[in-house]
Amino acid sequence: KAGVTQTPRYLIKTRGQQVTLSCSPISGHRSVSWYQQTPGQGLQFLFEYFSETQRNKGNFPGRFSGRQFSNSRSEMNVSTLELGDSALYLCASSLVGVEVNEQFFGPGTRLTVL
Amino acid sequence: KQEVTQIPAALSVPEGENLVLNCSFTDSAIYNLQWFRQDPGKGLTSLLLIQSSQREQTSGRLNASLDKSSGRSTLYIAASQPGDSATYLCAAQRGNAGNNRKLIWGLGTSLAVNP
Repeated sequence: KAGVTQTPRYLIKTRGQQVTLSCSPISGHRSVSWYQQTPGQGLQFLFEYFSETQRNKGNFPGRFSGRQFSNSRSEMNVSTLELGDSALYLCASSLVGVEVNEQFFGPGTRLTVL
Repeated sequence: KQEVTQIPAALSVPEGENLVLNCSFTDSAIYNLQWFRQDPGKGLTSLLLIQSSQREQTSGRLNASLDKSSGRSTLYIAASQPGDSATYLCAAQRGNAGNNRKLIWGLGTSLAVNP
């Protein structure tokens, strides 16, 4: 069974640009969560999607948005990039409606904003 | 508000030692606690998940315990090997619905096992 995949693995952008990151969950998993990881703040929750709807949202500005498609694949978009957006962006997939909610992570997308 | 703390931030041990990594959480009303491993520049690998009704989980040389009353979880690594060198993160989940599904993370313990 294939794991969680994320594309691209690395991105370099300049301030003011926008970026789209993609995440394909494990087959059968309908929930996709996104996290930002920085050296100073650690891992911070961005949002969770399942059934093509955003179910939960963390404390990030509106420049961070996402969506989920009918095949459960998810995209995350960051507009008007700032230097502080440089981070490793991780997505995780999990089953919904089961007692044990274990999350499985992809390799991440390393975003560098210059 | 749930806060998760991991001590120590970094640990260096000789190969073969048994070691314990600590994770503390402020809100005892957790649904489960998950331990992950992260290699440099890589994503996260799930190691063990302990549900609130359980006290410990074991996988190979790894054993994780959970004490909700004291707000602590420990990850025990037996007979450490250089390949165990990585950052170990713990994450708490408050529930299985709504906003409680998000994971609250510690900052991790960076482990170096020296040959």
